[in-house]
Amino acid sequence: QQQVKQSPQSLIVQKGGISIINCAYENTAFDYFPWYQQFPGKGPALLIAIRPDVSEKKEGRFTISFNKSAKQFSLHIMDSQPGDSATYFCAASIKGASKIIFGSGTRLSIRP
Amino acid sequence: NAGVMQNPRHLVRRRGQEARLRCSPMKGHSHVYWYRQLPEEGLKFMVYLQKENIIDESGMPKERFSAEFPKEGPSILRIQQVVRGDSAAYFCASSTQGFTVTGELFFGEGSRLTVL
Repeated sequence: QQQVKQSPQSLIVQKGGISIINCAYENTAFDYFPWYQQFPGKGPALLIAIRPDVSEKKEGRFTISFNKSAKQFSLHIMDSQPGDSATYFCAASIKGASKIIFGSGTRLSIRP
Repeated sequence: NAGVMQNPRHLVRRRGQEARLRCSPMKGHSHVYWYRQLPEEGLKFMVYLQKENIIDESGMPKERFSAEFPKEGPSILRIQQVVRGDSAAYFCASSTQGFTVTGELFFGEGSRLTVL
């Protein structure tokens, strides 16, 4: 119930293509869904986040799509660039909770 | 305006030794979180502290691991009698209030522990 399942484990996309990473959860009490980006040797950094009262949130080339009934959410990276190559983590938490639960991560490589 | 500072960045210990990892949160942040990242795995929550208090330690192994965040000075994650399975990257994160209020955790660059 406290897990967030993320797929794929790794992803290779051509420059200019669309990168899509999917996550699923079981606990309907989750009400905050952030995505974190991590470059090699660095700590994760918040990329974009959504709450379940909206179905989509867009910030530049990054979009979160949220399907509350299916308990799934995904990250779309449009016009993917080599600089987007990183590990991406989806996550979830409950309002008032003391921790964020992270997915297992997706290693994204953008080929020039 | 320095970010979350962790040291050491790299630490090598032999089995049975002690490891101490330090974390200075961002200025003005009083909430500290420790996460562990094993190779090729995600981030696993360990402990959440506020100044002088442990709020949630549900992710901490019951033995050998302890954490503190004193009134003065950095937060410290202490691992006694290290074993090879403790080899991992340990990340500290901080926030001004509980992250569900502000929506963001700020992570340090991690401390990478290698146990020989």
